[in-house]
Amino acid sequence: AQKITQTQPGMFVQEKEAVTLDCTYDTSDPSYGLFWYKQPSSGEMIFLIYQGSYDQQNATEGRYSLNFQKARKSANLVISASQLGDSAMYFCAMREGPPRADGLTFGKGTHLIIQP
Amino acid sequence: DADVTQTPRNRITKTGKRIMLECSQTKGHDRMYWYRQDPGLGLRLIYYSFDVKDINKGEISDGYSVSRQAQAKFSLSLESAIPNQTALYFCATSDRREMIETQYFGPGTRLLVL
Repeated sequence: AQKITQTQPGMFVQEKEAVTLDCTYDTSDPSYGLFWYKQPSSGEMIFLIYQGSYDQQNATEGRYSLNFQKARKSANLVISASQLGDSAMYFCAMREGPPRADGLTFGKGTHLIIQP
Repeated sequence: DADVTQTPRNRITKTGKRIMLECSQTKGHDRMYWYRQDPGLGLRLIYYSFDVKDINKGEISDGYSVSRQAQAKFSLSLESAIPNQTALYFCATSDRREMIETQYFGPGTRLLVL
């Protein structure tokens, strides 16, 4: 079974609208962290936002927020007031267990295109 | 200057050749990782390293080897490259002292195996 599922391969959104990118995860570990990364067409991976499994509040970073629903095992990324520069691939990723050197497990990504 | 650098940025090689991809970081992080990205598959972990003496296999280590020459350097080798190793390769680093231990990625190396 996939540990990270992103069900939207692609999305088209009008500029200035809010966007929600879906991510569901699967783990039996009570301690885990969820990350979102942005990959523009230039290829680099840019860290956006983090949510820990024990965090009481949803994470926010500027125009990015994370809608964390622990019981549903979902961690959707919300981008408010989308901009043309938000067009990119977006990846949800998880690290299981307490912080350690284990790598991240990534979803397959969502290709977001912002239209003027 | 970039905190995490990868060389080369692009490489074309032939089946059966040995190739090394290098990663250097100036972030002072103790932990380093190698991932590969294939279209439609996201990133998958190849190897990771706690520190110079601690190397661990990831999800897809077959056909690859690594060397942690120093805290700041982590190299990935393809002993005998094959076409299905054509991919975008990323190096990443993290710091165990950080609370959330974010992974920071290099710019990637595009590898084409003919």
